Amino acid sequence: ETGVTQTPRHLVMGMTNKKSLKCEQHLGHNAMYWYKQSAKKPLELMFVYSLEERVENNSVPSRFSPECPNSSHLFLHLHTLQPEDSALYLCASSQDARTGGLVQYFGPGTRLTVT
Amino acid sequence: QKEVEQNSGPLSVPEGAIASLNCTYSDRGSQSFFWYRQYSGKSPELIMFIYSNGDKEDGRFTAQLNKASQYVSLLIRDSQPSDSATYLCAVPSTTSGTYKYIFGTGTRLKVLA
Repeated sequence: ETGVTQTPRHLVMGMTNKKSLKCEQHLGHNAMYWYKQSAKKPLELMFVYSLEERVENNSVPSRFSPECPNSSHLFLHLHTLQPEDSALYLCASSQDARTGGLVQYFGPGTRLTVT
Repeated sequence: QKEVEQNSGPLSVPEGAIASLNCTYSDRGSQSFFWYRQYSGKSPELIMFIYSNGDKEDGRFTAQLNKASQYVSLLIRDSQPSDSATYLCAVPSTTSGTYKYIFGTGTRLKVLA
């Protein structure tokens, strides 16, 4: 768990607020990911970054805006969220995103509640 | 739509028994398969991965892969209450040269003391 860190661990925000989630990996990896985990649903991939370039965007609403300033840091900027966006947001990293069969390491997640 | 399917459970087994968790996948081209364990309120952690047909053993855990039938399973021998968690099956799938992991919904395992 210490290889990938996320802050904050818990976040409560109103629908008109703007907040950001932060992820940092200390594993020397080149790829980072944002996932959403809702109750009774599979992990949903939101964004994939490879060497700071966004290579995958799974049709995520524009109220979620990712930023990857370098290969160790990943942000998810949130604005005008809806109650259905309440979920556990997980960051993960892997050696790269263009080679199959590589292990992903997850951060502890941010539990987001939108009121 | 590439899919990974798991029985959501809960699967209840007595302490010391063998727990058998199954996963089927739709992409015949898949080459690697991952099992993650997720405790309630925690993030997924890797248990095992397997690439080749047959069995792969690691301590009390055995992964079994049958590519012809498109299923992968995880056996937990001598199950302990601490094994109670949700087990996620993940299969990497490639789109335009980028690999993304398709996760199943997970099987919740309860080991009864």
